[in-house]
Amino acid sequence: EDQVTQSPEALRLQEGESSSLNCSYTVSGLRGLFWYRQDPGKGPEFLFTLYSAGEEKEKERLKATLTKKESFLHITAPIPEDSATYLCAVLDYGGSQGNLIFGKGTKLSVKP
Amino acid sequence: NAGVTQTPKFQVLKTGQSMTLQCAQDMNHEYMSWYRQDPGMGLRLIHYSVGAGITDQGEVPNGYNVSRSTTEDFPLRLLSAAPSQTSVYFCASSLWDRNTEAFFGQGTRLTVV
Repeated sequence: EDQVTQSPEALRLQEGESSSLNCSYTVSGLRGLFWYRQDPGKGPEFLFTLYSAGEEKEKERLKATLTKKESFLHITAPIPEDSATYLCAVLDYGGSQGNLIFGKGTKLSVKP
Repeated sequence: NAGVTQTPKFQVLKTGQSMTLQCAQDMNHEYMSWYRQDPGMGLRLIHYSVGAGITDQGEVPNGYNVSRSTTEDFPLRLLSAAPSQTSVYFCASSLWDRNTEAFFGQGTRLTVV
């Protein structure tokens, strides 16, 4: 069964304290791994897509990386505005018929 | 750009009532989907559509119905609301080649009492 597991469930950082969020996945054939940001009361907002192991994408203080079993979202010198829930999702070739499978998310809080 | 628009934003229903959650997109996307999001759980797929006239079930389809008469609209119908359907519902759309990003609406918070 396809699975996506995110850790930690919650992360509290001080402003400027860098850290990483993890997304591990088990799928039959990865077509893409997606990172989304979700603010309270809003819909998920697209951040990155990664397609193959070794690929990296960057946007401002965020950098996403991908291996064959997991992805990391690195946050460098975060600011309070980076506080949100970060969602990971995978799209596979196999039994899920090409639909997104989401993890439960990591809730990030950045304190000034 | 409107993107994906969901209405209403909030709704309270009594058990047994029916209603339709509306979703419209203006990006000419072939693929549209409905998710529900519950505390402590990830987004779960309810139904999806790969184009006008084509729909299929996702992970949690029971108690919901969909249709896709146009490319732009993908309404979700609750046939007989139950308290277990209390949730936040999100509509999303993307291009046919689904390994591109999905765009989400702002959500509908539904409470069934």
